[in-house]
Amino acid sequence: GNSVTQMEGPVTLSEEAFLTINCTYTATGYPSLFWYVQYPGEGLQLLLKATKADDKGSNKGFEATYRKETTSFHLEKGSVQVSDSAVYFCALGYTDKLIFGTGTRLQVFP
Amino acid sequence: NAGVTQTPKFQVLKTGQSMTLQCAQDMNHNSMYWYRQDPGMGLRLIYYSASEGTTDKGEVPNGYNVSRLNKREFSLRLESAAPSQTSVYFCASTVRVENTGELFFGEGSRLTVL
Repeated sequence: GNSVTQMEGPVTLSEEAFLTINCTYTATGYPSLFWYVQYPGEGLQLLLKATKADDKGSNKGFEATYRKETTSFHLEKGSVQVSDSAVYFCALGYTDKLIFGTGTRLQVFP
Repeated sequence: NAGVTQTPKFQVLKTGQSMTLQCAQDMNHNSMYWYRQDPGMGLRLIYYSASEGTTDKGEVPNGYNVSRLNKREFSLRLESAAPSQTSVYFCASTVRVENTGELFFGEGSRLTVL
């Protein structure tokens, strides 16, 4: 079936460090892929998306590329800030549902 | 802009009690969803309604019922609450997932079952 696997956290970084959060997926057909972010005490909000192979989604300095050959959609940011501390969810979209990964907590220290 | 509104935000129940979580969206979205969020489990889909008049089971529907009251409102009912249903519940909506995949989430409802 369709599923999403993402790296366990927490990921702890110093400000301005490089961030990678790994996400791989299993799917039939050609799903869309998403990264959502959840700040403390809030619901999830869409961070970026890619709808077909080789597409790159980007927003707020975050990027992720839809890699069909490795079934991956890793999230990257060149220089994290304290304000990026949150839980990040990779998600796969097919038909009329989204399937979420378990989430990765990012903690950025000054 | 209200977006997706959930009530109540916090609730404590005793085992066996019933309650309904309410969700309303003002974005004229077709599809609505109920998820639960548990530590280490991420978000799991309980039920969804792809369009007004339809509801379908998600990954973890046991112990829950839903009603798509109209296009705006989608409620989740626990008929006989169990401690395993202690969780944070999120309602979400979207125009149609096939179009953009962007779900809009409410702020969550934290439920504790004693």
